Amino acid sequence: EAQVTQNPRYLITVTGKKLTVTCSQNMNHEYMSWYRQDPGLGLRQIYYSMNVEVTDKGDVPEGYKVSRKEKRNFPLILESPSPNQTSLYFCASSPITAGTGYNEQFFGPGTRLTVL
Amino acid sequence: GQSLEQPSEVTAVEGAIVQINCTYQTSGFYGLSWYQQHDGGAPTFLSYNALDGLEETGRFSSFLSRSDSYGYLLLQELQMKDSASYFCAVISSYKLIFGSGTRLLVRP
Repeated sequence: EAQVTQNPRYLITVTGKKLTVTCSQNMNHEYMSWYRQDPGLGLRQIYYSMNVEVTDKGDVPEGYKVSRKEKRNFPLILESPSPNQTSLYFCASSPITAGTGYNEQFFGPGTRLTVL
Repeated sequence: GQSLEQPSEVTAVEGAIVQINCTYQTSGFYGLSWYQQHDGGAPTFLSYNALDGLEETGRFSSFLSRSDSYGYLLLQELQMKDSASYFCAVISSYKLIFGSGTRLLVRP
């Protein structure tokens, strides 16, 4: 089944304790991205990657790191989480096509993170 | 800067037609896309407009006017399962920018 998977789905942690949220897609998509979703603010892009070893900042990158060593994986790293990073996080992937560019994003199920 | 404006909430009756508008301000516009998100779920892609005009996909249609920086999503023959949040999105400088979403409530 074509899908984007994220782990963990739920995580409660404490301030300053490094964590990684994994993301993997099995559709051979070039484009991958991380978003956070907060009430009333919609989805805000954290980082994106156009291909392996190519990553760039989205609109809200502060406090986050990513890497893209393999095409299928795009982990999100919080080196020193803070309470303002409590949010719902989505990973997404997209093919890059002549027709839609990378507008057709396929989203993972989400990770609900609470930082105490 | 870049921004997308959409109404925060829309209510409609089952079987009716509803239109969700989206106005955008962005540089390097490459098209407007729409996503649906049910409570507790992930966003799912609905449609994409690169050129002016109407794109139809079953009960859903999406319209774009590049000269007016405006688009809309049209939902026909509303069903209870259409109750969800709807987001418009654009690509700007390689980033994907989403509107804050319109919550659609379909009443019996």
